[in-house]
Amino acid sequence: QKEVEQDPGPLSVPEGAIVSLNCTYSNSAFQYFMWYRQYSRKGPELLMYTYSSGNKEDGRFTAQVDKSSKYISLFIRDSQPSDSATYLCAMSLYSSASKIIFGSGTRLSIRP
Amino acid sequence: DTEVTQTPKHLVMGMTNKKSLKCEQHMGHRAMYWYKQKAKKPPELMFVYSYEKLSINESVPSRFSPECPNSSLLNLHLHALQPEDSALYLCASSQDRTVSGNTIYFGEGSWLTVV
Repeated sequence: QKEVEQDPGPLSVPEGAIVSLNCTYSNSAFQYFMWYRQYSRKGPELLMYTYSSGNKEDGRFTAQVDKSSKYISLFIRDSQPSDSATYLCAMSLYSSASKIIFGSGTRLSIRP
Repeated sequence: DTEVTQTPKHLVMGMTNKKSLKCEQHMGHRAMYWYKQKAKKPPELMFVYSYEKLSINESVPSRFSPECPNSSLLNLHLHALQPEDSALYLCASSQDRTVSGNTIYFGEGSWLTVV
């Protein structure tokens, strides 16, 4: 079993829809949770960063962490074609950024 | 725009060539990283430098040789690579490798093709 599971997609939704991206994980020691957006042939860009459980909102993006279910989500409201990218979830133990574990990424396409 | 700058953006090299990838960060971070990413795969950690000292080497072949001249610069020297080494090489940095709660910021990557 992988430490972090993420559906690779592709996921295709119409412009303006609410997008839900998800990851599950097996290691209950993870404390820090991140979402990265990666456009084709570019490096990953940090979108959201949360600690422990709860929600965090930044503009059209909301990150949720449910540690009891070992499940994290990223919601994108009013999706735009420019949101089309691969979204990587990532998580780390309490002590070191070098122990970041990435999901395999979900390819998202927003149809105009 | 990312504050981690990588050069060159694209590199094509033969299997007998020697080349280098360069990275510079402008955030005052004390930890720097090299990752390798193949198509449709997540980034894989190669090396970690903390306070200019190599702290993690993830069993990377010796044809990849990292160098950290100072706290803001990181190089990856390449020699006698194989075609399967073709990938996107990502540099990243974080505030400190050991501080809880910090995370990493990536550069835009260097696309390497070995012919």
